[in-house]
Amino acid sequence: DQQVKQNSPSLSVQEGRISILNCDYTNSMFDYFLWYKKYPAEGPTFLISISSIKDKNEDGRFTVFLNKSAKHLSLHIVPSQPGDSAVYFCAASARGSGGGADGLTFGKGTHLIIQP
Amino acid sequence: GAVVSQHPSWVICKSGTSVKIECRSLDFQATTMFWYRQFPKQSLMLMATSNEGSKATYEQGVEKDKFLINHASLTLSTLTVTSAHPEDSSFYICSARDLGATGELFFGEGSRLTVL
Repeated sequence: DQQVKQNSPSLSVQEGRISILNCDYTNSMFDYFLWYKKYPAEGPTFLISISSIKDKNEDGRFTVFLNKSAKHLSLHIVPSQPGDSAVYFCAASARGSGGGADGLTFGKGTHLIIQP
Repeated sequence: GAVVSQHPSWVICKSGTSVKIECRSLDFQATTMFWYRQFPKQSLMLMATSNEGSKATYEQGVEKDKFLINHASLTLSTLTVTSAHPEDSSFYICSARDLGATGELFFGEGSRLTVL
């Protein structure tokens, strides 16, 4: 049973436009969400996070939106740049209950391709 | 931010040999580190939790005698793939959480293992 779902395996966006990556979750105990960016043959790097007490968190070109009632979060990148081409993993944490031993449950990732 | 380093970044070995991968937290101490395996187009799969000074905790389905984990200090965990076979070829990644920090994990660069 997949508790964190990224239904789009890949997404292609033109440079300069907005990239929107989606993530859905099923465990209502999740209260902290993170996005990681991963280049091929490298480990994931932390990008941005959001606590369940917020509905939006912004950091430069990256904004994460959280809709708790819909159990949905999204990552917006604007404007998209060629260096943004990577795989983006959504992860959720349920502190004190649920989740993996590392406290995080990962989605399968979305491969974002920025076209020039 | 905090840095986690893995070594080697890639290794090729013959079937039947053992391979050791190191994971170091460079600027912080970590009582707990995590080891993951990533298959192509799949999410990170948590293999085990490495606990400083005690035995590792393995996820269901992961052979502890196959994947030996040692966490001898607060900054170093090692994963040894014993008697490696071609099906062990994969991308192995470690992560660590800074003492006192919550939610955010810092990942190593990953190690690509190819077993011939």
